[in-house]
Amino acid sequence: TQLLEQSPQFLSIQEGENLTVYCNSSSVFSSLQWYRQEPGEGPVLLVTVVTGGEVKKLKRLTFQFGDARKDSSLHITAAQPGDTGLYLCAGLHASGGSYIPTFGRGTSLIVHP
Amino acid sequence: ETGVTQTPRHLVMGMTNKKSLKCEQHLGHNAMYWYKQSAKKPLELMFVYSLEERVENNSVPSRFSPECPNSSHLFLHLHTLQPEDSALYLCASSQVGEEETQYFGPGTRLLVL
Repeated sequence: TQLLEQSPQFLSIQEGENLTVYCNSSSVFSSLQWYRQEPGEGPVLLVTVVTGGEVKKLKRLTFQFGDARKDSSLHITAAQPGDTGLYLCAGLHASGGSYIPTFGRGTSLIVHP
Repeated sequence: ETGVTQTPRHLVMGMTNKKSLKCEQHLGHNAMYWYKQSAKKPLELMFVYSLEERVENNSVPSRFSPECPNSSHLFLHLHTLQPEDSALYLCASSQVGEEETQYFGPGTRLLVL
């Protein structure tokens, strides 16, 4: 069983602060994805990282894939209330011609105005 | 609006009831998934259908029975559920062979009494 550990589990911060969320595993993944889920909705994909050491930026969000493709981090600069939600990482592994994701437990983020 | 719809959005059922969850995707994808999301647990993959054939069944109890009549529709038939089956059931779709982005529906919040 491939497990993904996310930390922290909960994060409550003030608007304007920076934060980092971590996703770690002992397994190597083909690629890794980050999703955000808002209350009453399903997860929505933010980014996919494929290459070890890859860094992707999405406005105030910076995603990094570890060199060994076992871990990843999400850094948010100057957090805003609209960033509030559950952040999920998912490692993809090949299975029968498709790529099956394994999800972490998620990091629940609240950004206070 | 992700292009994946689920009905009903909320469901309360007794342990002796039989009900079905419905998922429909309007994205032209060829793979569909059922997930269970419980508090304090990672998102659990239950079933995968690729090209209308079931390719993954993660040791899900037989009281959950999936059905995929065509590439756009996916059902989850429920019977004699237990209270611990109460959770958010999410449907997702993707296009096998491409980026493998999963598009999630809003989920069905199920409560088993």
